[in-house]
Amino acid sequence: DVKVTQSSRYLVKRTGEKVFLECVQDMDHENMFWYRQDPGLGLRLIYFSYDVKMKEKGDIPEGYSVSREKKERFSLILESASTNQTSMYLCASSVNYNSPLHFGNGTRLTVT
Amino acid sequence: GQQVMQIPQYQHVQEGEDFTTYCNSSTTLSNIQWYKQRPGGHPVFLIQLVKSGEVKKQKRLTFQFGEAKKNSSLHITATQTTDVGTYFCAGPGGTYKYIFGTGTRLKVLA
Repeated sequence: DVKVTQSSRYLVKRTGEKVFLECVQDMDHENMFWYRQDPGLGLRLIYFSYDVKMKEKGDIPEGYSVSREKKERFSLILESASTNQTSMYLCASSVNYNSPLHFGNGTRLTVT
Repeated sequence: GQQVMQIPQYQHVQEGEDFTTYCNSSTTLSNIQWYKQRPGGHPVFLIQLVKSGEVKKQKRLTFQFGEAKKNSSLHITATQTTDVGTYFCAGPGGTYKYIFGTGTRLKVLA
């Protein structure tokens, strides 16, 4: 069974801090994604990666960056956290294009 | 840009009643996926539809893909408390990525 593991379930950070959210998948999937989920807005794509060291902007990349140095790991970086980045962050992976997404348990980030 | 809308946003039903959520895309989709997220959980893949007019069933759940491949629906017959959660549709939004709908939160009253 596919496992997507996010490093933290809950995280509290201060405004201006640099924040790292880590995601690891164990099924050799090509594609990895970062979404944020907010009430009434559904899941919005921040960044995705279709190969090691490759990354593409999603719909709301501002204020975020990503890193994929190894196939199994996809990191989301908040360069300078702001209160409007308080949200649930979901990492996902898929075998290839058109394949189902497998999600991690999510990281609920609060920026104070 | 491409948009995927779902209605209704919320639905409360009595246990045993039927439930339907609708998904509409601003563009034609090559396929559509449906996910369920239980309260406090993460989205879990339910099904993928590919063909125009396709209908698939999973026990009490019936999924349909529109003839024009721009809309889809999920119908639950005789809801149970285990059906509680948020249902999302998702369609390809370009190469590699999927655009999720806004979701329909279902509450089932016992």
